[in-house]
Amino acid sequence: GIQVEQSPPDLILQEGANSTLRCNFSDSVNNLQWFHQNPWGQLINLFYIPSGTKQNGRLSATTVATERYSLLYISSSQTTDSGVYFCAVETAGGTSYGKLTFGQGTILTVHP
Amino acid sequence: NAGVTQTPKFRVLKTGQSMTLLCAQDMNHEYMYWYRQDPGMGLRLIHYSVGEGTTAKGEVPDGYNVSRLKKQNFLLGLESAAPSQTSVYFCASRWDRGNQPQHFGDGTRLSIL
Repeated sequence: GIQVEQSPPDLILQEGANSTLRCNFSDSVNNLQWFHQNPWGQLINLFYIPSGTKQNGRLSATTVATERYSLLYISSSQTTDSGVYFCAVETAGGTSYGKLTFGQGTILTVHP
Repeated sequence: NAGVTQTPKFRVLKTGQSMTLLCAQDMNHEYMYWYRQDPGMGLRLIHYSVGEGTTAKGEVPDGYNVSRLKKQNFLLGLESAAPSQTSVYFCASRWDRGNQPQHFGDGTRLSIL
C-alpha cells in the first residue's frame, strides 16, 4: 500500500517562529488532508489539499502532486499551535472509497 | 449541526467483556470509517462502509465487527475485549461523490484491563 512519511518527527519552537512540516507519499493520490491533533486528542481538519496551495490565517499548505509531497507552513507560531500534525492521503483509483492512510505525525511544541 | 458524534467518550473494560461504540453523522454521508490510534502513531483503518447495509475490512480488522443498519449510524463492536485493543477510536464520514474530505468525530478512549 501507499507509504506516507512525515518530517521532522519532532519540532520545538519559540513563540513567533515560523516552521515547515513535510509529507512525502509514495503513490498518486486523490485526496490529501492535514490535521492538527490538539492536547485533548481532537482531530482538527486544517486543509483538504490534493493539489495546489491554500491559506488559512497563519497556516498555509502546498501540495505538489506530481512530485508526491505536501508542505504545511506555520507562521508566527503560538503556544496553541502545539500538538501533533498529521498528513493523510487517499490513494488514487476508483476503488479506494476514500480510505485514508496516515503518516506518523510531527509533534510540535511551541514555548512562550 | 453536530457533524460526527461518537459515544461513549471514555470507557474502561475488563478483558473478555464486550461493548459497542456508536458513531452517528447528520451530514447524510454515504461513506463511514472506523480508525484506531495507538500511542505515537497515526490512525489506522479498522473497517469502513460505503453505504447502508455494507461493511468492508480495513488495515487492522481482527477482533472487531461492524454494522451499518442505518445510513447515519456506524457501530463498532468488540466481542471479547483484549488489552491490545486499548486505544483511541475515531469515526469519520464523507460524501461518496467526487474527491471530498473526511470529517472526524472527537474519539473514544478505550482502556482494557
